[in-house]
Amino acid sequence: AQSVTQPDIHITVSEGASLELRCNYSYGATPYLFWYVQSPGQGLQLLLKYFSGDTLVQGIKGFEAEFKRSQSSFNLRKPSVHWSDAAEYFCAVGLPGYSTLTFGKGTMLLVSP
Amino acid sequence: DGGITQSPKYLFRKEGQNVTLSCEQNLNHDAMYWYRQDPGQGLRLIYYSQIVNDFQKGDIAEGYSVSREKKESFPLTVTSAQKNPTAFYLCASSIPRGGGDNEQFFGPGTRLTVL
Repeated sequence: AQSVTQPDIHITVSEGASLELRCNYSYGATPYLFWYVQSPGQGLQLLLKYFSGDTLVQGIKGFEAEFKRSQSSFNLRKPSVHWSDAAEYFCAVGLPGYSTLTFGKGTMLLVSP
Repeated sequence: DGGITQSPKYLFRKEGQNVTLSCEQNLNHDAMYWYRQDPGQGLRLIYYSQIVNDFQKGDIAEGYSVSREKKESFPLTVTSAQKNPTAFYLCASSIPRGGGDNEQFFGPGTRLTVL
């Protein structure tokens, strides 16, 4: 079955430290890949997306993600986390021929002082 | 400013009552979606519509109904048949592209509490 996995339910990072959130997918073809962020009680905001080309994608708020076909992964990174980055992060995939996205269950990021 | 509005932000209803959640967009998007969000469950698709007067069931459509009479509006009714209606509901829209490029834009959500 097709799926999107975010293995970490919660991650705690010290302010100023680097961050990597993991996302793996299981699809036969290379999907379209997205990362969204959700602050508590709010809607989702797109951070970045990958369709093709350069496998390192830059997004908003200093985030980047790297697509690795061999590992079926699309991990989100940030070199230095700020307290305002505390939120829930969702990875999502879109497939050709489908008009919907499939979301992972999310990773909650906590930032410690 | 273009965007998606959901109203109200908080909604309280008694058990056994139907309730309708509003979703309006002025992005001129053809496709609209309803998701339900519960802690630890991620986003689960309830219904989606790619064009006016047409919609499809998502993964958890039981106990919900929708209509799409106008391009900009996609209201969701939570019926009394929905066993656990208390949740956070998110509406989204997109320009439907068959290639998988379905970047979705989200509203701020409605938190429904059934007492």
